Amino acid sequence: AQKVTQAQTEISVVEKEDVTLDCVYETRDTTYYLFWYKQPPSGELVFLIRRNSFDEQNEISGRYSWNFQKSTSSFNFTITASQVVDSAVYFCALRSGGSNYKLTFGKGTLLTVNP
Amino acid sequence: KAGVTQTPRYLIKTRGQQVTLSCSPISGHRSVSWYQQTPGQGLQFLFEYFSETQRNKGNFPGRFSGRQFSNSRSEMNVSTLELGDSALYLCASSFIARDTEAFFGQGTRLTVV
Repeated sequence: AQKVTQAQTEISVVEKEDVTLDCVYETRDTTYYLFWYKQPPSGELVFLIRRNSFDEQNEISGRYSWNFQKSTSSFNFTITASQVVDSAVYFCALRSGGSNYKLTFGKGTLLTVNP
Repeated sequence: KAGVTQTPRYLIKTRGQQVTLSCSPISGHRSVSWYQQTPGQGLQFLFEYFSETQRNKGNFPGRFSGRQFSNSRSEMNVSTLELGDSALYLCASSFIARDTEAFFGQGTRLTVV
């Protein structure tokens, strides 16, 4: 069975602080995909990044960066110099490498960035 | 390019009634999946459709069903509504390729009273 754990339920920071959201996953698949989604109050899940199991290269996109480590089954997300607009619930998700498209989500981390 | 469209956005139903939710995927996407989001259980997979066939189903009772049409639009139906069915129902669409991400609609907020 697949499982995604986001141990941090809520995080509160002050604007311009750096913040890291943790994600630990469990799967028996050798091929799998990891995702991060952002959910603002409007409800829509906004795709942020996809990472394949065979690509451990870290990625940076503007103020966002992701650290994928297969050895520890972690896929952590860092926001540098946080802004109020970053306030949202962030979800980490896992999908197996098969043809079926089913995402297993973590419980989410509510990030509040205070001015 | 239009995103995933879900209708209606909000719905209030009475216990025992049934409800149908609709999802129009992004043009060209043939895989549509549905998720239920509640404060207690979080985001849970309901089912996935591809080419009008259900490929995968989550752990939900038979009261939850769905279908997909030839134009890839999908509907999900919940019969004999219970208070616990109150949730945000999210639809996601994706290409058929394995190495791809899913794009979500804004969801339908269902309240059962």
